[in-house]
Amino acid sequence: GENVEQHPSTLSVQEGDSAVIKCTYSDSASNYFPWYKQELGKRPQLIIDIRSNVGEKKDQRIAVTLNKTAKHFSLHITETQPEDSAVYFCAGFYSGGGADGLTFGKGTHLIIQP
Amino acid sequence: ETGVTQTPRHLVMGMTNKKSLKCEQHLGHNAMYWYKQSAKKPLELMFVYNFKEQTENNSVPSRFSPECPNSSHLFLHLHTLQPEDSALYLCASSQGLAGVQAKNIQYFGAGTRLSVL
Repeated sequence: GENVEQHPSTLSVQEGDSAVIKCTYSDSASNYFPWYKQELGKRPQLIIDIRSNVGEKKDQRIAVTLNKTAKHFSLHITETQPEDSAVYFCAGFYSGGGADGLTFGKGTHLIIQP
Repeated sequence: ETGVTQTPRHLVMGMTNKKSLKCEQHLGHNAMYWYKQSAKKPLELMFVYNFKEQTENNSVPSRFSPECPNSSHLFLHLHTLQPEDSALYLCASSQGLAGVQAKNIQYFGAGTRLSVL
């Protein structure tokens, strides 16, 4: 199966600064890595994802990088804004041995300080 | 709204009760999932169904019993639960199995907040 570790558990940054959240995964067969944002009291929503055949993907202020050799991937948010405050979850998709599904990290509570 | 509806939104039950959680998706998806969200394990996969067939049972105790009568509906039947089962139960769906193809993004319901007394 897959094990996903996420750090840090809490991250506080000044508005306008950048935020970086890091995740590592255990199974080299994992090939899909989405990031979800969950605002307080709301459902998780996909914000960006990356596949193992790509090293980096960017969508406006959000980018994700993947290092397959080191088995880690990171979420980068630039020019942070108050609405970026939320819990962010990384996940890895494992397919094989009859077990298919996303394994999530424990989440990072991102706090944007005004 | 994401097209994934969960009922009820809140549920309080005793340890001897039997209740069911319902999830319905209006997106034409073929895969559906149950997750448990708690302070200890923020997003824990419980069950996966693909084309109504269960493909994943993530070592979930038998007091949780899923049912998928068709691709649009997913139930989680609960019986003799424990207080530590109190959590937010999230349902999700995707076109196909998440991760297999680029289009198979998971959409989450709003969840059922379960309290076991």
